[in-house]
Amino acid sequence: AQSVTQPDIHITVSEGASLELRCNYSYGATPYLFWYVQSPGQGLQLLLKYFSGDTLVQGIKGFEAEFKRSQSSFNLRKPSVHWSDAAEYFCAAAPRGGYSTLTFGKGTMLLVSP
Amino acid sequence: NAGVTQTPKFRVLKTGQSMTLLCAQDMNHEYMYWYRQDPGMGLRLIHYSVGEGTTAKGEVPDGYNVSRLKKQNFLLGLESAAPSQTSVYFCASSYSTGRGGNTEAFFGQGTRLTVV
Repeated sequence: AQSVTQPDIHITVSEGASLELRCNYSYGATPYLFWYVQSPGQGLQLLLKYFSGDTLVQGIKGFEAEFKRSQSSFNLRKPSVHWSDAAEYFCAAAPRGGYSTLTFGKGTMLLVSP
Repeated sequence: NAGVTQTPKFRVLKTGQSMTLLCAQDMNHEYMYWYRQDPGMGLRLIHYSVGEGTTAKGEVPDGYNVSRLKKQNFLLGLESAAPSQTSVYFCASSYSTGRGGNTEAFFGQGTRLTVV
């Protein structure tokens, strides 16, 4: 079955430190890959997406993600975290071709300490 | 730009009552989706639609019905609400790349439903 796994439920990072959120997928073929962010009481906002090409993808708010086929991973990174980055982050995937629906990971809650 | 709009934003229902959640998008997207979000569960797909007049079941369809009579609207109905349907509901829409591929989903702000 197709699935997306985010191994970390919570992560705490000091402000100014670097961040990496993990995401692994299980699909028969490489899916489209996405990272979304959700602030409290808000909907989901797309941070970045990977369809094909360069495996290092740049997104909004200074985030980037690297697709690694050999590891079935699509990890999200940020060099220096700001207090405003505290939110819940969701990795998602959708199969290529035809109509497709997103499958989400269970999310990682990012806490930023002063 | 309104994007994806959900109404209502909050609702409290008694067990057994019915209600309809409305989702409207103004981006001319072909695909529309209803998800529910529960703590520790991520987002789970309830129903989706790939075009006007078509609907399909997602991961957790039981207890819900949907309709898409107009391309821009996607309605989610609860015929007899149960406490297990207490959740935050998100509507989303997306468009096709034209080569059969899908794109990222755009989300509404959510509807917080409590069934007592």
